[in-house]
Amino acid sequence: QVQLLESGGGVVQPGRSLRLSCAASGFTFDDFAIHWVRQTPGKGLEWVAIIWYNGETKYHEDSVKGRFTVSRDNSKNTVYLQMNNLRVEDTSVYYCARGGSAVAINYYMDVWGKGTTVTVSS
Amino acid sequence: SYVLTQPPSVSVAPGLTARISCGGHNIQTKGVHWYQQRPGQAPVLVVHDDTSRPSGIPERFSGSNSGHTATLIISRVEAGDEADYYCQVWDSSPLHTWVFGGGTKLTVL
Repeated sequence: QVQLLESGGGVVQPGRSLRLSCAASGFTFDDFAIHWVRQTPGKGLEWVAIIWYNGETKYHEDSVKGRFTVSRDNSKNTVYLQMNNLRVEDTSVYYCARGGSAVAINYYMDVWGKGTTVTVSS
Repeated sequence: SYVLTQPPSVSVAPGLTARISCGGHNIQTKGVHWYQQRPGQAPVLVVHDDTSRPSGIPERFSGSNSGHTATLIISRVEAGDEADYYCQVWDSSPLHTWVFGGGTKLTVL
């Protein structure tokens, strides 16, 4: 069964750091790109970052550039989102989602995790 | 940056057809993807590349894309279709970004 499972969310003060994890199972992990997408309570979806299947290429949304960094460990079937200098407006549910593969380039997200909640508050 | 515009809400009676629009400049030149999100759940891909359905998605879900508007079409609407729907595209200018519309709440009357 293809599955993504996020963890690492919690309550943190502004300016502090948090690292989210996304553990994958049920598919050949190192064939696929992985996205992070967030959703503020009651609001819409916002793309945050993507890391290519081999970890060599990554892109981040403008508002998190310089603060958030996506990385992956293919030996552990896990993608990470390191979030530094957190702001109140980063409060969201963070989802990881599967993107395109090395052999079938696509630009959509076909498998999603259940999400992990990050609350930034003093 | 590229902007996608969706109506905040659409209402439809059971058994009828719902159409949810997604506006963007020359959107017909982009592949449009649609997600369904039921309350308290993660999004689910229902249509990709304008018109294609992932396995397991009912044939009642379809899409179109022309000019400046893409449309998600849900035929024979059921109560279980009540959810938020988001369109999404990939934008390569100036750098790779994935853009979502603001979402549309579908209410089944």
